Amino acid sequence: GNSVTQMEGPVTLSEEAFLTINCTYTATGYPSLFWYVQYPGEGLQLLLKATKADDKGSNKGFEATYRKETTSFHLEKGSVQVSDSAVYFCALSVQTGGFKTIFGAGTRLFVKA
Amino acid sequence: DSGVTQTPKHLITATGQRVTLRCSPRSGDLSVYWYQQSLDQGLQFLIQYYNGEERAKGNILERFSAQQFPDLHSELNLSSLELGDSALYFCASSVVGDLSGNTIYFGEGSWLTVV
Repeated sequence: GNSVTQMEGPVTLSEEAFLTINCTYTATGYPSLFWYVQYPGEGLQLLLKATKADDKGSNKGFEATYRKETTSFHLEKGSVQVSDSAVYFCALSVQTGGFKTIFGAGTRLFVKA
Repeated sequence: DSGVTQTPKHLITATGQRVTLRCSPRSGDLSVYWYQQSLDQGLQFLIQYYNGEERAKGNILERFSAQQFPDLHSELNLSSLELGDSALYFCASSVVGDLSGNTIYFGEGSWLTVV
C-alpha cells in the first residue's frame, strides 16, 4: 500500500540551528512528494514538492530531495527562525483508484529564541 | 489566504445529531477533498470529488457522506455524531484530480466539537 512515515515530534531547536525532519514512504508506482506546513490556527499550505526521482524542492530556505533508492524525502533547513515553528507534514500523491494525497502524521517544530 | 472557504469555522453539537460542513473551492478548481484532523489519528483523507463525481474514497465512515454540486462547492454531512467525531475537518481543492504532482490548497478548517 501507500504510506508515509515521518519522525515523531516535537522537535525543539534554538534559533539558527540546523533542521532535519525525516520522511520515508512506500508507494506503488511513481509518487510525487510534498512537504506541507501548518502554522498555528491555519490550514495546511504547500511548502515544497518534487515530482520525480532526484528532484530537489526548495522554498523559504527549506529543501528536500526525492531519493528513490532510499524512498526518502527529508526536509532540511540550514538556519531555523522562531517563525518556522509549525507542524510539518510529509505527503505523497499517487493515482491508484483515483488520485490521492496521503499525509504523514506531522512533526511539530518549536524554535526558541 | 488559500482561496478555499469553509463554513462554519466552529461548531458545537450534541451526540446523535447531524451537521453539514460547507466548502467553496478556489476559483477554477474542479477537485475537492475532505480531510479529518484529530490528535490521535493525525490527518486522515476522507473523500475526493472531481467535477461533481466521487473520485476517491479514504477512511470515511458510513455515517458520513459528501457531495459536490454543479457550482463545484461541496458539503460534508456528518450524522449520528459521536464524541470521537470531534476534530478539525479540512476541505482542500486543486485544479485537476488526475495529476499526481498537482498541489492541493487547504481551507482553514471547521472545528467540530461533539458534547
